[in-house]
Amino acid sequence: EADIYQTPRYLVIGTGKKITLECSQTMGHDKMYWYQQDPGMELHLIHYSYGVNSTEKGDLSSESTVSRIRTEHFPLTLESARPSHTSQYLCASSEHQGQGPYGYTFGSGTRLTVV
Amino acid sequence: GQSLEQPSEVTAVEGAIVQINCTYQTSGFYGLSWYQQHDGGAPTFLSYNALDGLEETGRFSSFLSRSDSYGYLLLQELQMKDSASYFCAALSGAGSYQLTFGKGTKLSVIP
Repeated sequence: EADIYQTPRYLVIGTGKKITLECSQTMGHDKMYWYQQDPGMELHLIHYSYGVNSTEKGDLSSESTVSRIRTEHFPLTLESARPSHTSQYLCASSEHQGQGPYGYTFGSGTRLTVV
Repeated sequence: GQSLEQPSEVTAVEGAIVQINCTYQTSGFYGLSWYQQHDGGAPTFLSYNALDGLEETGRFSSFLSRSDSYGYLLLQELQMKDSASYFCAALSGAGSYQLTFGKGTKLSVIP
C-alpha cells in the first residue's frame, strides 16, 4: 500500500545533539514538504522540494536542513538541537505542484522534545 | 503576507449540520483546501476548491467565493468520529506553489 512514513514517532534528546528525522514515501511523488506544528496550532512550512537535488526554505525560519538525493527520501537534520526546537514535525508529499484534486498526503509526524 | 481566519472552536450535536468558515488574504491565490486532523494524528485531505461554488464529497461539502475571499466546510449528519480539528489552507504562489494553513477549528461533537 502506498504511503508516507516518518521515523521516529517520538524522540527525546539532549540540547546540542545532532538529529535526523526520516521521511520516505512510496507513491513516487516529486513534491515533498516539511511542516512544523505546535500543539493546537497551525502548520508552518519549513522546507520543500520539487524533485531530486531541489530543496527550498519555507516561510518559517528554521535552523534545520534537508536533502533530496532520492525521490522517495526527504530527511530533515538539526545540527544542534535546542529546547526551542521542541515541536511536531510533519512530512508530506503531493503528486501535483499545484496540489491538484488529491491534496497533500501527510506522514504521522515526529514529536520531538529537546531537554 | 498570507493569512487565514477561522473560528478556534465549534461545538455541535450528533446528527446535526455544522459550517466552518474561513476567510483568507493571500497573494497569487489558486484555491482553498480543507484538512481534518484528529488529536495526535496526521492531517488528512478533505477537499479542494479552485473555482467558485460548492464541491460535495459524501457528508462533507466545501464552498469557495473568490470575490469574497471566503470559503466554508459543511459537515452533515455529524458523527462522534467527526470530532477533530479542521484546517483551511490556501494554495498560492507564482511558480512556486505553497500551502498556507489557518490556525484550525476544533470541532467537538456531543451526543
